[in-house]
Amino acid sequence: GAVVSQHPSRVICKSGTSVKIECRSLDFQATTMFWYRQFPKQSLMLMATSNEGSKATYEQGVEKDKFLINHASLTLSTLTVTSAHPEDSSFYICSARDFRGATGNTIYFGEGSWLTVV
Amino acid sequence: GQQLNQSPQSMFIQEGEDVSMNCTSSSIFNTWLWYKQDPGEGPVLLIALYKAGELTSNGRLTAQFGITRKDSFLNISASIPSDVGIYFCAGQSGGSNYKLTFGKGTLLTVNP
Repeated sequence: GAVVSQHPSRVICKSGTSVKIECRSLDFQATTMFWYRQFPKQSLMLMATSNEGSKATYEQGVEKDKFLINHASLTLSTLTVTSAHPEDSSFYICSARDFRGATGNTIYFGEGSWLTVV
Repeated sequence: GQQLNQSPQSMFIQEGEDVSMNCTSSSIFNTWLWYKQDPGEGPVLLIALYKAGELTSNGRLTAQFGITRKDSFLNISASIPSDVGIYFCAGQSGGSNYKLTFGKGTLLTVNP
């Protein structure tokens, strides 16, 4: 299957600072990527849809000024958590749509990034 | 909004047993996807289903896209300890909206 890679896998930052998480599609181009947040023992919560060359579409309740998304190329989307607070500590996961093949609807996920804000 | 009901929430089985889990939706999906997530890692795609009635296998895993397009099941045969993890179903409505709606997951524990 297609490969999606996230970096860093783990990051610790101080409260009030910003941290950037990268999501790359390694063997395919992704015009659409998605960012999720997952709390322990819960399902994935979609934060936003990242669209190459245009603004991200945020889900209701997600602060776009706090979670900045940039999708500047067909293989890279970044999520920047600005002015991080301890409550932003979570597991962040990205996914990318592989448009190749008969349906072009298969979604592959990255390995996830653990963010701890201290 | 769309809702997915995934059951069971958790399962405790003995190695070698077969497992079945399912998801039902309040609305129609065009694509059903099944993922497995190990602790601290991202979900890994197991099986993708694109047509109503489709039955697809991947090794010991078999999944079907319900004929009504509102449900799907995943079966695991002859379970082994490494099958332990959380299994998620996800539905996709299609069109220009590729967002996934996730079930709440099934936690599978396999006793050796």
